[in-house]
Amino acid sequence: ETGVTQTPRHLVMGMTNKKSLKCEQHLGHNAMYWYKQSAKKPLELMFVYNFKEQTENNSVPSRFSPECPNSSHLFLHLHTLQPEDSALYLCASSQDRGGEKLFFGSGTQLSVL
Amino acid sequence: AQSVTQLGSHVSVSEGALVLLRCNYSSSVPPYLFWYVQYPNQGLQLLLKYTTGATLVKGINGFEAEFKKSETSFHLTKPSAHMSDAAEYFCAVRGGADGLTFGKGTHLIIQP
Repeated sequence: ETGVTQTPRHLVMGMTNKKSLKCEQHLGHNAMYWYKQSAKKPLELMFVYNFKEQTENNSVPSRFSPECPNSSHLFLHLHTLQPEDSALYLCASSQDRGGEKLFFGSGTQLSVL
Repeated sequence: AQSVTQLGSHVSVSEGALVLLRCNYSSSVPPYLFWYVQYPNQGLQLLLKYTTGATLVKGINGFEAEFKKSETSFHLTKPSAHMSDAAEYFCAVRGGADGLTFGKGTHLIIQP
């Protein structure tokens, strides 16, 4: 248990659905991250939040919409996704932005049909 | 900009044998280097890190890595592999203010 909890663990959705991924951390960290993990590719940093403010958006398509209502919670809202968006989505947190030690959740395995 | 290259997407060793996972990096600034491990159905966990000081760093579960600036390398080793070491291993570099740049990962297979 790393202190970072992601729900759901698995999600199957059609291209016209709207769903949300949830991440919660009880570590008192100030920075939270969304990463995308696809087979045979490096982890891709998607979004960074520091003290609830978005500090980085790595050219992520607008069909992915993050939300950080407070330092403990991070959401990723999904709509009109494509099959190539199927991947493991990992949430992580660190004490501060650019923190050396990231704590990762177990991820949400997303399949887009 | 930073980048990481992990040589070998799959590495297979016998139980009790030496584990060597290779990582080369590029960074425009002095790098901070990390190895993370991912067990099946889990997120990533930090194994060890190099920031400054001693170039040989020890991590959890008997792993260690050596920072070699002249070779731009940060290879991960363990003297004797255990079955429980089977996992995906990621090398990462931090050269800026945000996040880490990860390699593609190396899948370590332990043969009984």
